[in-house]
Amino acid sequence: QQQVKQSPQSLIVQKGGISIINCAYENTAFDYFPWYQQFPGKGPALLIAIRPDVSEKKEGRFTISFNKSAKQFSLHIMDSQPGDSATYFCAAKGGNEKLTFGTGTRLTIIP
Amino acid sequence: GAGVSQSPSNKVTEKGKDVELRCDPISGHTALYWYRQSLGQGLEFLIYFQGNSAPDKSGLPSDRFSAERTGGSVSTLTIQRTQQEDSAVYLCASSLQGNTEAFFGQGTRLTVV
Repeated sequence: QQQVKQSPQSLIVQKGGISIINCAYENTAFDYFPWYQQFPGKGPALLIAIRPDVSEKKEGRFTISFNKSAKQFSLHIMDSQPGDSATYFCAAKGGNEKLTFGTGTRLTIIP
Repeated sequence: GAGVSQSPSNKVTEKGKDVELRCDPISGHTALYWYRQSLGQGLEFLIYFQGNSAPDKSGLPSDRFSAERTGGSVSTLTIQRTQQEDSAVYLCASSLQGNTEAFFGQGTRLTVV
């Protein structure tokens, strides 16, 4: 049973545009929602995370939007740059349970 | 150490051999995770430790896979009688207890020939 669904699988955005990646979860016990960025040959690195007591969190060009009633959250990358080209994973966790990951989105920023 | 350390970084082994992969988590981190990532794929959960116990080992794909953690620190993932389908990058992550960020190591790339 896939508990975190991520879309799209791949995304191409023009430099300067907005990249949007969406995730939906099923388990209402989840209360921590991180996004990870992974470059080829590297381990995933935490990008930004949110807890369900807020609807939005912004760090620089990266914003998480969270909709608790819809059980959805999304990552927005403003002013996308070629250096943002990577694979992005959403994840969710509750209590002392494991981190459950989405299937990943391969983002390509074209000049 | 400063981050999660995994060794070896690369391992080539012959089909049927046993391999051991090591993870040194960040000092003080009580939670430790093992994931597997096949080429261009997502992160497949294997096992999760809280301290030395494994409350969730539901992701281990077969009884050829086992893991242990000693002293609440170093963890070893052992794959017995390796098969070609075991070829993947094995990632380890650690975090403080509870809902805090998990830090990943660089992974061990396992190739079974």
